[in-house]
Amino acid sequence: EVQLVESGGGLVQPGGSPRLSCVASAFTFNDYAMSWVRQVPGKGLEWVSGISGSGGNTYYADSVKGRFTISRDNSKNTLYLQMNSLRGEDTAIYYCAKGLYSGYDRTPFDSWGQGTLVTVSS
Amino acid sequence: DIQMTQSPSSVSASVGDRVTITCRASQTTSRWLAWYQQKPGKAPKLLIYAASTLQSGVPSRFSGSGSGTDFTLTISSLQPEDFATYYCQQANSLPITFGQGTRLEIK
Repeated sequence: EVQLVESGGGLVQPGGSPRLSCVASAFTFNDYAMSWVRQVPGKGLEWVSGISGSGGNTYYADSVKGRFTISRDNSKNTLYLQMNSLRGEDTAIYYCAKGLYSGYDRTPFDSWGQGTLVTVSS
Repeated sequence: DIQMTQSPSSVSASVGDRVTITCRASQTTSRWLAWYQQKPGKAPKLLIYAASTLQSGVPSRFSGSGSGTDFTLTISSLQPEDFATYYCQQANSLPITFGQGTRLEIK
C-alpha cells in the first residue's frame, strides 16, 4: 500500500524558512510526479507546487513562486518543500500527493499524506 | 489560470437520495477532470479521474460525466459514509486548480 508521510510542520515566525519532507513507500518513486497541496483549516484545496519524476521540471503557484522551492531525492524516496519568507497567509495544512499517471507532470493525485500543519505566527 | 466553479456550495440530502454536483471550468479541460471526497480531519480521496473513470475501490454508486467545460458527479443512492465535502480538480494545464468544494450534509 502506498504511504506518504509528511513532517516538518509546526509554529513558525513570519519570515521563517522551514523545510517540509514527505517520505514515500510502496511504489517506484522516480516514476511519478509529486505535488504539494495546501489547505487552510476549514477552507478549500490549493495546489502549491509540483515536480516531475526525475526532478528536472518544477512548477509553482503564483502565490509561492520565488519563495518556495520543491525538490526530491529519488535515492531516499523523499519529497521536499523549502519554504522561505513565510507569511500569515501561508498558514495551512500541507499535503504531499502522488501523481496518478506514471510519466505525466500534470495529473490527478491518487495518494495523499496525512498532512502537516504549518502555522505562521509571532 | 483555469477557474473551477462548483455548484451548489452545499446541499442537504437524505440516505438513499440521488445527488448531483456540477463543476464548470473557465476554459476547456478536455477530460482532465477529477473528483475528490474529503472527510473532516482526513486527506482528500480520489474518486473519479478522466471525468468518468472510477478509481479502484470506489463504490459504483459514484459516477462522473462531462467534457470540455462542464462536468458532473452523481451519487446514485446516498449512504451514511458519503456525507463529506467534494472537490473537482483540473489537470489540463498548470497551475492545477480545484473547485471551492461542495459540502454534502445530512438532511
